[in-house]
Amino acid sequence: DAGVIQSPRHEVTEMGQEVTLRCKPISGHDYLFWYRQTMMRGLELLIYFNNNVPIDDSGMPEDRFSAKMPNASFSTLKIQPSEPRDSAVYFCASSLSRVNGYTFGSGTRLTVV
Amino acid sequence: SQQGEEDPQALSIQEGENATMNCSYKTSINNLQWYRQNSGRGLVHLILIRSNEREKHSGRLRVTLDTSKKSSSLLITASRAADTASYFCATGPSSNTGKLIFGQGTTLQVKP
Repeated sequence: DAGVIQSPRHEVTEMGQEVTLRCKPISGHDYLFWYRQTMMRGLELLIYFNNNVPIDDSGMPEDRFSAKMPNASFSTLKIQPSEPRDSAVYFCASSLSRVNGYTFGSGTRLTVV
Repeated sequence: SQQGEEDPQALSIQEGENATMNCSYKTSINNLQWYRQNSGRGLVHLILIRSNEREKHSGRLRVTLDTSKKSSSLLITASRAADTASYFCATGPSSNTGKLIFGQGTTLQVKP
C-alpha cells in the first residue's frame, strides 16, 4: 500500500482564492481525519469521517472551510475564500478502527499571501 | 483544544543516552498513543497503550501509563542520531469515538 496520499504537497495562493486539498486514505481504513498544524496552535483536528460520513466537524474554524468524502477512497478539504491566517500544514490521516494508530499523509503546506 | 501536555518541550542528549518524555492529560481516556514527526514530514505512529494497560514495549521504546495521575511517559533507550524528531502524545477519549487529541510535542535532539 502506498500509504495516505495527499495532494498537492505545496500550495501558494492569493488571499480570496479557493483552495482544494485532496486525500486518498489507505484502502480498508474506515476513519479519515483532517488536521491542521501551526507553530502557534499545534495539531488541531478539523473534521473526521467514519465510513464516508462526517462525524465531528466542531474543529472546522468557520464556514469558509468545508470537507467532503464522496467515497471511501477520496476526501477533499476546501477553503473558500482563503485568508493569510489559513497558512499551515494540513494533514490527512486514516485509521482502521476506533482503537488503532493513525497513518498520516505527508501533508500539504498551504501559504496564503 | 489541546489535551496532552508534553514535558519537556525540548530535550538534547548525546547518542547512546536514554531519552524520557512525559505527557499529562486532563480527561478520561480510552487509549493513549505516541507519534514521531521528522522535520517537514507527517507523523508516524509509534505505540498505543490502552487505559487498562500500565506498560508497553516496542523495540527501544517503553511507554508507561498512570491513569490515576493522568500521565504517560515515553522512554527511548540507547538513542541514535536518527531518533532526532518531535514526539507527540495523543489521547483517545473514553467515549471511544475514534478521534485523537494531540499535545504540543517534545522536540528531541540526539547529538552524534
